[in-house]
Amino acid sequence: ETAVFQTPNYHVTQVGNEVSFNCKQTLGHDTMYWYKQDSKKLLKIMFSYNNKQLIVNETVPRRFSPQSSDKAHLNLRIKSVEPEDSAVYLCASSRTNTEVFFGKGTRLTVV
Amino acid sequence: AQSVTQPDARVTVSEGASLQLRCKYSYSATPYLFWYVQYPRQGLQLLLKYYSGDPVVQGVNSFEAEFSKSNSSFHLQKASVHWSDSAVYFCALGNNNNAPRFGAGTKLSVKP
Repeated sequence: ETAVFQTPNYHVTQVGNEVSFNCKQTLGHDTMYWYKQDSKKLLKIMFSYNNKQLIVNETVPRRFSPQSSDKAHLNLRIKSVEPEDSAVYLCASSRTNTEVFFGKGTRLTVV
Repeated sequence: AQSVTQPDARVTVSEGASLQLRCKYSYSATPYLFWYVQYPRQGLQLLLKYYSGDPVVQGVNSFEAEFSKSNSSFHLQKASVHWSDSAVYFCALGNNNNAPRFGAGTKLSVKP
């Protein structure tokens, strides 16, 4: 049963556009994450966030930014997309870095 | 530093055969270890987890894994695979201070 909800499922956009992906969790967890999964299925942590602290993976380009209104929501904004941003973006949540629960992902294609 | 290595990118087995997917980790303390499965166009689903205690942990769909501190390993096993087990399997390592890190994944194909 899915308890981490992501929208949209798919998004196609042109280079230079701004995009925003939404994520909501109904598990009452205190930490949320964004992972990027590339075409080879490699998973890389982009951000982890709880209501106290944002941790940014130092390799993430500055055009990416997380946005949170409360601990159940963590959106992802990409200010000016580039072709290498094409990937699946997976949102997840957990209690204090225990097992992580994932959404189904948002597949971004940049043309 | 923490890292997870899955040495086998692809594994193919026949239906009904036994399975072992390998996972090696690097971490200075005792880690939290997980196995996840990803079916096509889906997110990752937790199969099993190890925090402490009995080194053999049972998971969903008859999967189990064995933690070995001496070998820094957490291999996933199943006695008899079914075609529906075909998927990508990820080993992951976590701790109290960092987001879980994932291995590169092993794509399992089960031949009928």
